[in-house]
Amino acid sequence: GAGVSQSPSNKVTEKGKDVELRCDPISGHTALYWYRQSLGQGLEFLIYFQGNSAPDKSGLPSDRFSAERTGGSVSTLTIQRTQQEDSAVYLCASSIREYTEAFFGQGTRLTVV
Amino acid sequence: AQSVTQPDIHITVSEGASLELRCNYSYGATPYLFWYVQSPGQGLQLLLKYFSGDTLVQGIKGFEAEFKRSQSSFNLRKPSVHWSDAAEYFCAVGANSGYSTLTFGKGTMLLVSP
Repeated sequence: GAGVSQSPSNKVTEKGKDVELRCDPISGHTALYWYRQSLGQGLEFLIYFQGNSAPDKSGLPSDRFSAERTGGSVSTLTIQRTQQEDSAVYLCASSIREYTEAFFGQGTRLTVV
Repeated sequence: AQSVTQPDIHITVSEGASLELRCNYSYGATPYLFWYVQSPGQGLQLLLKYFSGDTLVQGIKGFEAEFKRSQSSFNLRKPSVHWSDAAEYFCAVGANSGYSTLTFGKGTMLLVSP
């Protein structure tokens, strides 16, 4: 596609439920990033995929968070047993390769009630 | 550890007036510095970046930023603000140009008055 696509754009879930957030990167981009943007905060790095290499998971805040990237393209961020503090905008970005400009999607706004 | 401070949470500027958004960073070596803009409901768009060389960097949409090592600053400027510039602006610092290394500031919301 023309840009990074994220779905859903908004998600409201009950505390304790699992959610899946999807990211479709720009075609041909080998690097993919997930960030979390909480209200009044900057972006917090979560996880990074580069080609077929093992992902950099150093930013994941707890073991309730996981992500995968299938076929080097679409990525899914999964949050298990959601908590209210997980409420945030989750942004995905992709770049042709590491160290090149990353292009961001519009984000998924997650609200845990 | 690297950190970024954007001291102004909100700034209001009249349309046509000049703009300066402040960014101070903490980093042990020569940093990679970025400015991003986020319009409501949108993802982030890169305005400009500094890696090395000329300390005055030109970006898109008429923005520029100046790297001042002695002040650990990378302030964003624009000589004449347009109403369409109303958005949130984020400064970021990294160990390199890799996006997984970036630390973002908390952002400055720019409001443009008529």
